[in-house]
Amino acid sequence: SQTIHQWPATLVQPVGSPLSLECTVEGTSNPNLYWYRQAAGRGLQLLFYSVGIGQISSEVPQNLSASRPQDRQFILSSKKLLLSDSGFYLCALRPMGPENTIYFGEGSWLTVV
Amino acid sequence: DAKTTQPPSMDCAEGRAANLPCNHSTISGNEYVYWYRQIHSQGPQYIIHGLKNNETNEMASLIITEDRKSSTLILPHATLRDTAVYYCIVRVSYNTDKLIFGTGTRLQVFP
Repeated sequence: SQTIHQWPATLVQPVGSPLSLECTVEGTSNPNLYWYRQAAGRGLQLLFYSVGIGQISSEVPQNLSASRPQDRQFILSSKKLLLSDSGFYLCALRPMGPENTIYFGEGSWLTVV
Repeated sequence: DAKTTQPPSMDCAEGRAANLPCNHSTISGNEYVYWYRQIHSQGPQYIIHGLKNNETNEMASLIITEDRKSSTLILPHATLRDTAVYYCIVRVSYNTDKLIFGTGTRLQVFP
């Protein structure tokens, strides 16, 4: 079965500092990968998705970026964090196929101070 | 893109059935309906999904109307641990494979 590893689980960073959240998946090949963000008390917002190595699509303009250097690795980055970047970040995967389920990681809590 | 509409909150007594509705009137013929739930501070948990037929698993049942414009998630015997936000999602596009989450329904199960 598929598993998703996200780290770090919690992070407190000052404004203007860089960010790197990592996600690795196991138990599947060539999955679609996603980064979602959830601000406090709000629904999930899709930030990026990837259908393959080096293929990244951005859903909303922001100071975040994503990369997929390997099939099972998805990285969320920022050069300079803003206060508004605080939130709960979720990595998700969807195995190949017409109706396969999306699986979510346990998330990373980011607080920008 | 197909979108979903859910009530913002619902209450349910423990041991009773919880029926969570979802409207997706613009759903396309090849789009699936998925249900997830999220307990506070955790990643969303998959519950069930379906295309046209009603579905049942160990967690819940999914009833999809014949015209596919709405569906209902049924938790047959709600427990306190079922208190969570429930999301109804439709698969937006086969090629891009994006999933769009709405604001969901906050289900409160009370003793």
